[in-house]
Amino acid sequence: EVQLLESGGSLVQPGGSLRLSCAASGFTFSSYAMSWVRQAPGKGLEWVSVISGYSDSTYYTDSVKGRVTISRDNSKNALYLQMNSLRAEDTAVYYCAKGGVASGRYIDHWGQGTLVTVSS
Amino acid sequence: QSALTQPRSVSGSPGQSVTISCTGTSSDVGGYNYVSWYQQQPGKAPKLMIYDVSQRPSGVPDRFSGSKSGNTGSLTISGLQAEDEADYYCCSYAGTYIVIFGGGTKLTVL
Repeated sequence: EVQLLESGGSLVQPGGSLRLSCAASGFTFSSYAMSWVRQAPGKGLEWVSVISGYSDSTYYTDSVKGRVTISRDNSKNALYLQMNSLRAEDTAVYYCAKGGVASGRYIDHWGQGTLVTVSS
Repeated sequence: QSALTQPRSVSGSPGQSVTISCTGTSSDVGGYNYVSWYQQQPGKAPKLMIYDVSQRPSGVPDRFSGSKSGNTGSLTISGLQAEDEADYYCCSYAGTYIVIFGGGTKLTVL
């Protein structure tokens, strides 16, 4: 059974930093692209970032470029999202998401989410 | 990276059919046969309902079907049931690992 367990969300001040983690199990982690998708309170889903199976490719939505870094450790079956210079508009539930195929063209499993609140 | 366009809300009575549209561009929906749909119940994580335009994952009822024409994908739910009431999001591959979501549609079962 695929399991994705996020952690690291918390209340942080504007301009602060946070590192989200996702522990994955139940599948061959290195074979799939992994993504972070966020959902602001009462809003829709927004794709944030993706990393290929062996970390050779990473992509970001425009609003987080330069502030956010996605990474993975295949030896630990772990996905990370380092977020710097946080803004109020980054407040959201952040979901760890597994690509359905290597290219990540769809998401077949989601974690339960971790809440990031950016506020003074 | 503009969000795909979905109607804000749709509704139908039990047993009826409803269709949710998802409009993009030739760079996403129209450029690939890789539209997916997700159901999200309040307070829960999204759930994959359709992938690659019309494929259903194991366990998803065949009342859910997907299609695509040009730059618009569609999700049809036939034989509406009360438990289908949820938010639905479309998503399209946009090349090189990138995906784009729609704004979401709230389905109300009357």
